[in-house]
Amino acid sequence: AQSVTQLGSHVSVSEGALVLLRCNYSSSVPPYLFWYVQYPNQGLQLLLKYTSAATLVKGINGFEAEFKKSETSFHLTKPSAHMSDAAEYFCAVSGGSYIPTFGRGTSLIVHP
Amino acid sequence: NAGVTQTPKFRVLKTGQSMTLLCAQDMNHEYMYWYRQDPGMGLRLIHYSVGEGTTAKGEVPDGYNVSRLKKQNFLLGLESAAPSQTSVYFCASSYADPVTDTQYFGPGTRLTVL
Repeated sequence: AQSVTQLGSHVSVSEGALVLLRCNYSSSVPPYLFWYVQYPNQGLQLLLKYTSAATLVKGINGFEAEFKKSETSFHLTKPSAHMSDAAEYFCAVSGGSYIPTFGRGTSLIVHP
Repeated sequence: NAGVTQTPKFRVLKTGQSMTLLCAQDMNHEYMYWYRQDPGMGLRLIHYSVGEGTTAKGEVPDGYNVSRLKKQNFLLGLESAAPSQTSVYFCASSYADPVTDTQYFGPGTRLTVL
């Protein structure tokens, strides 16, 4: 079995500030972890994924995430927020024979 | 290369009506999926297919049926629509193992059931 918890349905930051979106997972097998982004009125697209190689994963648009097994976390960060980062972000976990399970999403709001 | 396309983009149904949502992909992907997205619920898997002619149930399959007669198409049917099926429906596909492979999503279909 597997599950994902995204802490905070909404996160608000100022332009240029650090972005931190939290994701904790539960999995009975070694997990694979994903972050997807959804811009308004669009489908989801992959930001980055962890597939048991390096624990620090770099993605598109300056985002990165670190897999921490001891904390069962895969938080998403970006050093400096841009207005274009405003979107819905989804964390997902898979593993074993399990198709990815998605979290409930975090809406990132960027203020000028 | 269109990726994943969905037809229609919007639809309004009355309770009890039926309809079919069409998903098409031109990437020669083996796996295809149907999700529904509801506010505060994230994405929930309805049905999926691991290849032409195969289908399997996901997390919330009740009230839906699917078919994958051709590799590039995955159809989602609602036989008797209910207001609880008001949602945004997303189709996705992946080349291989869904556990590790990236999923590619369509733009979504917004369905309202009155």
